[in-house]
Order: sequence, then C-alpha cells, then structure tokens
Amino acid sequence: EVRLEESGGGSVQPGGSLRLSCAASGFNFRVHWMHWVRQAPGAGLVWVSHINNEGTMTTYAASVEGRFTVSRDNARNTVYLEMNSLRVEDTAVYYCGRVTASNIDYWGQGTLVTVSS
Amino acid sequence: QSALTQPPSASGSPGQSVTISCTGTSSDIGSYNFVSWYQQYPGKAPKLLISEVSKRPSGVPDRFSGSKSGNTASLTVSGLQAEDEADYYCSSFVAGDYSVFGGGTRLTVL
Repeated sequence: EVRLEESGGGSVQPGGSLRLSCAASGFNFRVHWMHWVRQAPGAGLVWVSHINNEGTMTTYAASVEGRFTVSRDNARNTVYLEMNSLRVEDTAVYYCGRVTASNIDYWGQGTLVTVSS
Repeated sequence: QSALTQPPSASGSPGQSVTISCTGTSSDIGSYNFVSWYQQYPGKAPKLLISEVSKRPSGVPDRFSGSKSGNTASLTVSGLQAEDEADYYCSSFVAGDYSVFGGGTRLTVL
C-alpha cells in the first residue's frame, strides 16, 4: 500500500523557520518525482515545489523561491521542505504528493503550518 | 505562474450531467497533455480523478471523464450522485517545468 506521511508542521512567528518531512512507503521511492502542494484555510490548492527522483533538479513557485528548499533522502524514503523567512501568507496545510506521468497520484494527509505573531 | 481559471461553483440534480471547465494558456494546457483533475472532500486530502487529460485511474467510476480543446480542459460528471458533492481542481504542467492548479470548483448536488 502506498503511504505518504507528512510531519513537522506547527506554529511559528513571522521570519521563523520550519522543516517539513514526508515519509514514503509501499513503493519504489527512488524512481518517483515528488511534489509539495499547499492549501491555505478555506482556499484552493497551490503548487509549491517539486524535486526529481535523484534529487538533482528542483523547481519552486515564485512565491517561495529563495525561501523554501526541497530535498530528498532516497535511502530514508523521505522528502523534505525547508521553509525559511516564513510569512503570515505561508499559513496552510502542506501536502506532499507522489508524481507519476506529471500527475500527483498519491497524496499525504497534510501537515498544518501556522505563521502568526 | 498564474492559476488556471475554473468557475467557483457548479451544480446539478441527481442523474444529470455537469461539466466543469478549466482554462489556461498556450504555455500550459494548450501545449501539454499533462492535465489532471482532483476531487477533494472537506478536511481530506485531494484524490486523483483524471490524469493526462482523459485517463481514469483504477477505481474511479466511469461517470467521470476528461477532455481538452485548445487551452481549455473539461471534467464531465455524468449521472450525478450525492457523493459527488465535493471540490474539484484541475492542474497542468507548465512550460519552464512548473505546475499550476485551478482555483477550484465546488460541485453541489441539488
């Protein structure tokens, strides 16, 4: 069974940092690209970042470029999202997703990040 | 990286068909067949409904179908059922190696 489990969310003040983790199981993690997608309260889905299967290529949405860093450890079947200089508008549920043919075919349950003073 | 355009709401009676549109540009929907649709219930993670414009993953009822014409993709739900009441999002690959979602459509079954 494919499983994705995010962790690391919580409350942080503006300007702070958090590192999210997404632990994968039930599939060959090292052959899949991975996405991060977020959803602010009451709002729609917004793509944040993706990383290729080898961890050598990353892309970011303009709103997080330069502040967020995605990485992965294929030995630990885990993808990470390092978030720095957090802003109030970064408040959202963050989902990780497995990519197959450019689609997110499996999603984690999400982890909530709240940025507030 | 502008969001794809979806109507904020759609509705239909049980048994009817409803079509949700998703309009992009020549840099995303118009150039790639990597358009997907996701269904999301309140408080739950999204679920893949349609991949690569019109492919249904295993387990998705054939009442759900996808298509594309030019810069616009569409999701059609036939034979509406009460359980289809949810939020629906389209997504596309974008030139420059990005991805983008639509703003979402809330489907109400009357």
